[in-house]
Amino acid sequence: QKEVEQNSGPLSVPEGAIASLNCTYSDRGSQSFFWYRQYSGKSPELIMFIYSNGDKEDGRFTAQLNKASQYVSLLIRDSQPSDSATYLCAARSGNTPLVFGKGTRLSVIA
Amino acid sequence: DAGVIQSPRHEVTEMGQEVTLRCKPISGHNSLFWYRQTMMRGLELLIYFNNNVPIDDSGMPEDRFSAKMPNASFSTLKIQPSEPRDSAVYFCASSWSGDQPQHFGDGTRLSIL
Repeated sequence: QKEVEQNSGPLSVPEGAIASLNCTYSDRGSQSFFWYRQYSGKSPELIMFIYSNGDKEDGRFTAQLNKASQYVSLLIRDSQPSDSATYLCAARSGNTPLVFGKGTRLSVIA
Repeated sequence: DAGVIQSPRHEVTEMGQEVTLRCKPISGHNSLFWYRQTMMRGLELLIYFNNNVPIDDSGMPEDRFSAKMPNASFSTLKIQPSEPRDSAVYFCASSWSGDQPQHFGDGTRLSIL
């Protein structure tokens, strides 16, 4: 059974701080990893994807991947109240569909 | 560029009725996915298609659920007969094949009374 685990939260951070969201996955064959943001009542929206070990930066967002530890994280620098949402981690092996975690709810306090 | 289009946005019906959800994937995408999302279970994959062919329907909860993709630009998810426990948000997503990201529609919020 392929699983993606996330802490459900809520994770509360003050405005301007770094928010760190974490995710582990069970399938060692997973090759690509995705972070989606979902606002309440809305659909998941792709933020970032990462395929290689290490860091990938896009604006205020940094995705980190450690395949040896089967660990993926998303850092949000200079957190804003508009970043408050549920963040879904997903993993995929080959051409199969994404396996999603249940998400971490982030609350950025002004 | 239009995204994934789902209809209806909201559906409220009585148990026992047939429900049909519709999806138009992004033009050119050859993979289509149906998901169900609830608070308890999160996002669950129900079925997915590659090039209009169902590849894996192991996530379909019961025989009451069926899905079709008659052509590259249209898919339906049908529940007959519907039950209150089917109440959830149903998302359709599409992608290029391979390791490309999936893009989601706005979802259908289904309530079975």
